[in-house]
Amino acid sequence: SQTIHQWPATLVQPVGSPLSLECTVEGTSNPNLYWYRQAAGRGLQLLFYSVGIGQISSEVPQNLSASRPQDRQFILSSKKLLLSDSGFYLCAWSVGFSYEQYFGPGTRLTVT
Amino acid sequence: GIQVEQSPPDLILQEGANSTLRCNFSDSVNNLQWFHQNPWGQLINLFYIPSGTKQNGRLSATTVATERYSLLYISSSQTTDSGVYFCAVEPTGNQFYFGTGTSLTVIP
Repeated sequence: SQTIHQWPATLVQPVGSPLSLECTVEGTSNPNLYWYRQAAGRGLQLLFYSVGIGQISSEVPQNLSASRPQDRQFILSSKKLLLSDSGFYLCAWSVGFSYEQYFGPGTRLTVT
Repeated sequence: GIQVEQSPPDLILQEGANSTLRCNFSDSVNNLQWFHQNPWGQLINLFYIPSGTKQNGRLSATTVATERYSLLYISSSQTTDSGVYFCAVEPTGNQFYFGTGTSLTVIP
């Protein structure tokens, strides 16, 4: 069966520091991968999606970037964190568009 | 983009009660899912239901795509049902849109 992992689970970082969040999927090949952010416990916003290695699409302009160095690995990064980057970051996968999405456990990021 | 509205925003139930959560969307969709977010933040898949009716235990869902709404029914609610319920829709292509959720509290 398929599983999705995210780490770290929680992170506290100072303003201006770099960021790297990792997401990996097991048990499937060539999945679509997604990064979402949830602020204040409501309303998930899609940040990035990827249909294959090295293919990244961004849905909103922001201080973050994403990369997909391997088929089942998706990384969310920032060179310099802002206070507004705080939130709950969720990774998800699906076998393709218009198919069911499955979410990882999330990373809670606090920028101080 | 598509608008997704969920109602009610907050709901408090006595254990054993039934409830109906609603999701309205402003355009036709290819994909609709219901999720339950538990107190630890994990999003749990409830239903993938772009149209029709499905049932899973005490939960059932109905999507009327032509009228652009979906309903989630919870019967005989339990305290473990507490959390936030989201619907998410995909109109066309690659963008999923989430509603703002219904926060459910079930009290014993």
